[in-house]
Amino acid sequence: GEDVEQSLFLSVREGDSSVINCTYTDSSSTYLYWYKQEPGAGLQLLTYIFSNMDMKQDQRLTVLLNKKDKHLSLRIADTQTGDSAIYFCAAPNGSARQLTFGSGTQLTVLP
Amino acid sequence: EAGVVQSPRYKIIEKKQPVAFWCNPISGHNTLYWYLQNLGQGPELLIRYENEEAVDDSQLPKDRFSAERLKGVDSTLKIQPAELGDSAVYLCASSLGTEETQYFGPGTRLLVL
Repeated sequence: GEDVEQSLFLSVREGDSSVINCTYTDSSSTYLYWYKQEPGAGLQLLTYIFSNMDMKQDQRLTVLLNKKDKHLSLRIADTQTGDSAIYFCAAPNGSARQLTFGSGTQLTVLP
Repeated sequence: EAGVVQSPRYKIIEKKQPVAFWCNPISGHNTLYWYLQNLGQGPELLIRYENEEAVDDSQLPKDRFSAERLKGVDSTLKIQPAELGDSAVYLCASSLGTEETQYFGPGTRLLVL
């Protein structure tokens, strides 16, 4: 099955860029997702990338995909205090048709 | 358009008591998911429905957990009896189809004392 790994914590200064990294194991993954979870809330879909793309940009968010290394990253430009949350990478388990989530990266934005 | 609705948002019960969670998916979404999220971890799938049929329930602890989606719209997840280790967040998600993007509800936070 799919295994998704993320670093647990990231701390940045307000205005700096944040880069959250993720690795996955199932090379047959089609779409790869980034979700955001604020305290006491459910998961909010941030963005996704199709596996035949290398990069996707959406306003302050840039997703980079390295299929060879099975590495996915999420860059947040001009990070704001409102970006403080837990960010989850998710990849579909091709055989089971279910999403496998990483453990989440806690992003803390310092003033 | 309304998102995925879940209730209750919070539930505190004593161990061995029953508890039920309700989910109403986004209108028109045929696929419904129940996830379990333990503290500090990502969500883990419990069960997936295609319309009213449970097509993947391999992760559902069937000795105490049950779920239903009788009319292929809203769904109920039940635990009976609850154990201390069931304290977690129970998330519901829905999608247009199996391999479509999943949208999550706010979750039900369960505390078993």
